[in-house]
Amino acid sequence: QSVLTQPPSVSAAPGQRVTISCSGSSSDIGNNFVSWYQHLPGTAPRLLIYENTKRPSGIPDRFSGSKSGTSATLDITGLQTGDEADYFCASWESSLSAVLFGGGTKLTVL
Amino acid sequence: EVQLVESGGDLVQPGGSLRLSCAASGFTFTNDAMSWVRRAPGKGLEWVSGIWGRGDATFYADSVKGRFTVSSDNSKNMVFLQMNSLRAEDTAMYYCAKGQGRRSFNELDSWGQGTLVIVSS
Repeated sequence: QSVLTQPPSVSAAPGQRVTISCSGSSSDIGNNFVSWYQHLPGTAPRLLIYENTKRPSGIPDRFSGSKSGTSATLDITGLQTGDEADYFCASWESSLSAVLFGGGTKLTVL
Repeated sequence: EVQLVESGGDLVQPGGSLRLSCAASGFTFTNDAMSWVRRAPGKGLEWVSGIWGRGDATFYADSVKGRFTVSSDNSKNMVFLQMNSLRAEDTAMYYCAKGQGRRSFNELDSWGQGTLVIVSS
């Protein structure tokens, strides 16, 4: 089962901004919503963004999402050391009737 | 407050079976779909299976189709994952997660702490 394509890693200094991309196809991102999750192994994953751009309550507005065609992007501004984690995009895959996750992007805050 | 508590993870031999459980509380269980998601060591998140609220439809990743079965007990607010013909590549932390809506698997807004499955001889 194929995954959505993300860069393996990104890094930036505290206070800076990073962008994480997520690329898919017309069967997934192109015709379905995208969600973003933050995960530190050993802890429970956390939903950051749903329906491409919406933030659940409690998620700071430093996190924002967007989608265009078959790609999506997660932006994190005002980076904090506590943001160091793995970030995953996800989308429903219509032909498989299953959720696909991206391969994950490890964020390092230098 | 939503709470999801997984149990049932264990060390099992290849070809063996295991049943995971997830006890849910703090929300109307039949209003929201439930999913199982796993993360293997050194790998990313992988959606494994999902069941609609009220349990009227189930869905599976290709990697587990025919081997895993998801079910729910609405009277006990519990979700189960029966795992048969286990393989080494099924070794992972398994998370139970709640969707935002009866048919929602892509907006998992609450997660448990996970239960560890190790498949090894």
